[in-house]
Amino acid sequence: QQQVKQSPQSLIVQKGGISIINCAYENTAFDYFPWYQQFPGKGPALLIAIRPDVSEKKEGRFTISFNKSAKQFSLHIMDSQPGDSATYFCAASMLLRTGGFKTIFGAGTRLFVKA
Amino acid sequence: DTEVTQTPKHLVMGMTNKKSLKCEQHMGHRAMYWYKQKAKKPPELMFVYSYEKLSINESVPSRFSPECPNSSLLNLHLHALQPEDSALYLCASSQGYRSGEQYFGPGTRLTVT
Repeated sequence: QQQVKQSPQSLIVQKGGISIINCAYENTAFDYFPWYQQFPGKGPALLIAIRPDVSEKKEGRFTISFNKSAKQFSLHIMDSQPGDSATYFCAASMLLRTGGFKTIFGAGTRLFVKA
Repeated sequence: DTEVTQTPKHLVMGMTNKKSLKCEQHMGHRAMYWYKQKAKKPPELMFVYSYEKLSINESVPSRFSPECPNSSLLNLHLHALQPEDSALYLCASSQGYRSGEQYFGPGTRLTVT
């Protein structure tokens, strides 16, 4: 019930194309859904996040679509660039009664954008 | 400033050694986290601190001992580790109750020999 399932494992996209990564969760206690980008040798960096009362959020070339009834959310990267080549993690977070957030990460998607 | 710093960057230790990892943030965040990340795997939550108190321990073995001396610092004390504990250890911080946005440090690459 704590799992976050992410697909695909890897993705190759042409420069200028759309990259789409999908995630699904089970526990309805999760109330914050961030996406992280990680380059080799670096820590994850927050890309964009959404709360379940919103169905879509757009920031620049990055859009999250959220389907609360299906317990699914996805990341769309428009006009994908070679610099977007990285590992992307979806995550689901819940506020702890004792403070802070418990965050479960998806397995990750390795994106390669061909020039 | 949205920086979380971690020291050291790399650490090699024997199974009988005692060492510590350090993490620091100056964003005024009141929640701090330790994660473990194995190669090609997602980060796994180990500990959450909120207002300098341990909020959750995700069933982490006692050979890992966290400490939060003040609101800006988080330590992870290591003792009698096993080779399978070799991983990237990530520290993160967030505002606490108001926002789930977590800012990660670059990590400490730990090798246990």
